Amino acid sequence: AQSVSQHNHHVILSEAASLELGCNYSYGGTVNLFWYVQYPGQHLQLLLKYFSGDPLVKGIKGFEAEFIKSKFSFNLRKPSVQWSDTAEYFCAAGIGGSYIPTFGRGTSLIVHP
Amino acid sequence: SQTIHQWPATLVQPVGSPLSLECTVEGTSNPNLYWYRQAAGRGLQLLFYSVGIGQISSEVPQNLSASRPQDRQFILSSKKLLLSDSGFYLCAAAGTPSQETQYFGPGTRLLVL
Repeated sequence: AQSVSQHNHHVILSEAASLELGCNYSYGGTVNLFWYVQYPGQHLQLLLKYFSGDPLVKGIKGFEAEFIKSKFSFNLRKPSVQWSDTAEYFCAAGIGGSYIPTFGRGTSLIVHP
Repeated sequence: SQTIHQWPATLVQPVGSPLSLECTVEGTSNPNLYWYRQAAGRGLQLLFYSVGIGQISSEVPQNLSASRPQDRQFILSSKKLLLSDSGFYLCAAAGTPSQETQYFGPGTRLLVL
């Protein structure tokens, strides 16, 4: 069965630090990839997604993610985090264009002002 | 854009009592609908999904059931709640233009005592 691994469960950064959250999936075929974010007290919302084309995907709020097929990875990045980026981040993969994505366990990000 | 409504937001129920959580969707037609349970540090666990009225697929055998009486209504039920049913339940929908991208509701926090 497919799986999605998020390597960092808890990340603590200071404002203006750079961020990279790891995500790997275990499937060799076509995948749709997603990053979702859940801010404190709010519901899950889509941050960015990759279906095909340019492997570097730009999302909302300055986030981007890079699909590296050879590494089965879709890492999330932001060059300079803000206190308001404090949230839980989930990576998800829809294997073979599946309508049922598999979610990672999530990464809790805390940004200190 | 799609809007997902869930109610109630919070529910406290005694063990052995029935359960009914409702989810309705606006802004799309014929969506795929999903029920997830979110546990801290464990990500999102898919419980049920539906691709159409009356069509329900169960991902995890348990004390819960789901129904879809209308195109944009999805209900999560139980005849007799267990302590282990406590958790945070999320409804999601994926519809036109992209059925691979899920949009989430605000969730229901259920506490079984």
